[in-house]
Amino acid sequence: QQQVKQSPQSLIVQKGGISIINCAYENTAFDYFPWYQQFPGKGPALLIAIRPDVSEKKEGRFTISFNKSAKQFSLHIMDSQPGDSATYFCAASKGGNNRKLIWGLGTSLAVNP
Amino acid sequence: NAGVTQTPKFQVLKTGQSMTLQCAQDMNHEYMSWYRQDPGMGLRLIHYSVGAGITDQGEVPNGYNVSRSTTEDFPLRLLSAAPSQTSVYFCASSWTGEHGNSPLHFGNGTRLTVT
Repeated sequence: QQQVKQSPQSLIVQKGGISIINCAYENTAFDYFPWYQQFPGKGPALLIAIRPDVSEKKEGRFTISFNKSAKQFSLHIMDSQPGDSATYFCAASKGGNNRKLIWGLGTSLAVNP
Repeated sequence: NAGVTQTPKFQVLKTGQSMTLQCAQDMNHEYMSWYRQDPGMGLRLIHYSVGAGITDQGEVPNGYNVSRSTTEDFPLRLLSAAPSQTSVYFCASSWTGEHGNSPLHFGNGTRLTVT
């Protein structure tokens, strides 16, 4: 019940395309769903986060879609750019508690020029 | 601001050696934590601290010790290194608050190889 399942493990997208990464969770008590972006040789950094009171949150080309009934949330990257090539992690927790954060295993995104 | 600073960036140890990975943050964050990142395993929490003098175990604490004598510093000690501890180690910090924590701020990692 504590798992967050992330897919796909890796993704190759052409420049200008849409990148979609999906995550599924089991614990219905989770109420904070962040996405972290990690470039090679760097630590992860928060990209965007959502709470279940909204079904979608958009920041620039990045959008989180949230489906509470299906217990799924996804990251959409519109007009993908080579600079978006990175590893993306989804995560979930109850109450935004970082010491209880459950991480997905990550998706390696490569955007071809 | 420097954020979260980890040293060293790279380290090679022989089995049985000990070492300390350093982590310092200048954001006055109460919460600090150590993760290890291995291929296909994602990020796994080793130890964390919610304030000076307070530490607790995470998901994979065996073989590691921590202490938190100041708000700024949170060193991770390997007492007797094993090849299974070959990994990339990340330190992360955040505020803690009544309505949840702020986003985690990660350092740039220490790549450790144990031969």
